[in-house]
Amino acid sequence: KAGVTQTPRYLIKTRGQQVTLSCSPISGHRSVSWYQQTPGQGLQFLFEYFSETQRNKGNFPGRFSGRQFSNSRSEMNVSTLELGDSALYLCASSSRDGGYEQYFGPGTRLTVT
Amino acid sequence: GNSVTQMEGPVTLSEEAFLTINCTYTATGYPSLFWYVQYPGEGLQLLLKATKADDKGSNKGFEATYRKETTSFHLEKGSVQVSDSAVYFCALSGNNNDMRFGAGTRLTVKP
Repeated sequence: KAGVTQTPRYLIKTRGQQVTLSCSPISGHRSVSWYQQTPGQGLQFLFEYFSETQRNKGNFPGRFSGRQFSNSRSEMNVSTLELGDSALYLCASSSRDGGYEQYFGPGTRLTVT
Repeated sequence: GNSVTQMEGPVTLSEEAFLTINCTYTATGYPSLFWYVQYPGEGLQLLLKATKADDKGSNKGFEATYRKETTSFHLEKGSVQVSDSAVYFCALSGNNNDMRFGAGTRLTVKP
């Protein structure tokens, strides 16, 4: 099976702009989770989608949003970018067949200038 | 709420040394426990898992045992290699399937 793919891999944006990141889960996986990884804060949970519904949400401002499509692909959007949004954004998919192990994509490296 | 605490790094070892990275957790109910590894420039990879008490997860020479009495899931490897240099994350999945990760431990193995 193909793994989790994320596009783009690298992105440079200017403060105040918005950005959309994309994630394609492993075929058959219906759950997609998003994480932000920074050197200072570590790995922080953003949200999880399952069958097009947001099931869990982390403690991030409303500028961070996401959605999931009927084919399980997911996008996350960050509006009004701030310098502190510079991070590696990781997507993970899961089949939720018990144990809830997640499979991660390579991430999108976002730099806000 | 659920949480994971793992030993702070960085950890530096010589090749063939014994590795232990401590991980303890706080959770209600019966969580599943995981170790993930992240190599430079990559996403996280599942290294091993355990879904119930006394289970032992193992992979690539790494092992961890789910100890409910001590709420621990320590990662061990008998003989590390340079290629094991990476960041290791302990994680748990609770009853409502929310995932919690530890802060990560950076391991450097020197030849």
